[in-house]
Amino acid sequence: GAVVSQHPSRVICKSGTSVKIECRSLDFQATTMFWYRQFPKQSLMLMATSNEGSKATYEQGVEKDKFLINHASLTLSTLTVTSAHPEDSSFYICSAEYNEQYFGPGTRLTVT
Amino acid sequence: AQSVTQLGSHVSVSEGALVLLRCNYSSSVPPYLFWYVQYPNQGLQLLLKYTTGATLVKGINGFEAEFKKSETSFHLTKPSAHMSDAAEYFCAVTLTGTASKLTFGTGTRLQVTL
Repeated sequence: GAVVSQHPSRVICKSGTSVKIECRSLDFQATTMFWYRQFPKQSLMLMATSNEGSKATYEQGVEKDKFLINHASLTLSTLTVTSAHPEDSSFYICSAEYNEQYFGPGTRLTVT
Repeated sequence: AQSVTQLGSHVSVSEGALVLLRCNYSSSVPPYLFWYVQYPNQGLQLLLKYTTGATLVKGINGFEAEFKKSETSFHLTKPSAHMSDAAEYFCAVTLTGTASKLTFGTGTRLQVTL
């Protein structure tokens, strides 16, 4: 089956630093990848749609300068949280589209 | 705009009992509906989906869901719960068939007891 990986699975960073999260489709090519944010006991919130070779499309209310998304190849999209603050602490999940969405295992970001 | 409401953030059933997880949707056009399961520290896995055609949809692990337009519902059921069914379940809706731009419900945590 289609597998999507995320790296790292957990990351702790200090306030003011930047952190990069990778999302890879391991056995298929995905022209479209999605980034979600999941708060504790809450739903997944779509942050942005990432298209290979073009700029990401951000959802309303998501700061594109804070959450930089790059979709450099058909198997890799990255999310960089710039100048992270404690309120950015969350569970970030990516998905890759191949007839349907296949989800990665998520990345737990903790900003101290 | 579309939305989904999942009634009950936490459902507990005994092993072997019926599982019923509720999902109601709101959509201005015919929706495409999905159920996903999330095990601890894992990504979401598609259980089943309704796009068009038969309103009773069968999925993996013995789950099924019925699309009821008159009730704007897409409840998930399983006749007999197993301990391995304990997980978080999300209902989702989209207005396109490719699962793009999914809107998720808040999730229901299913607990299965002996």
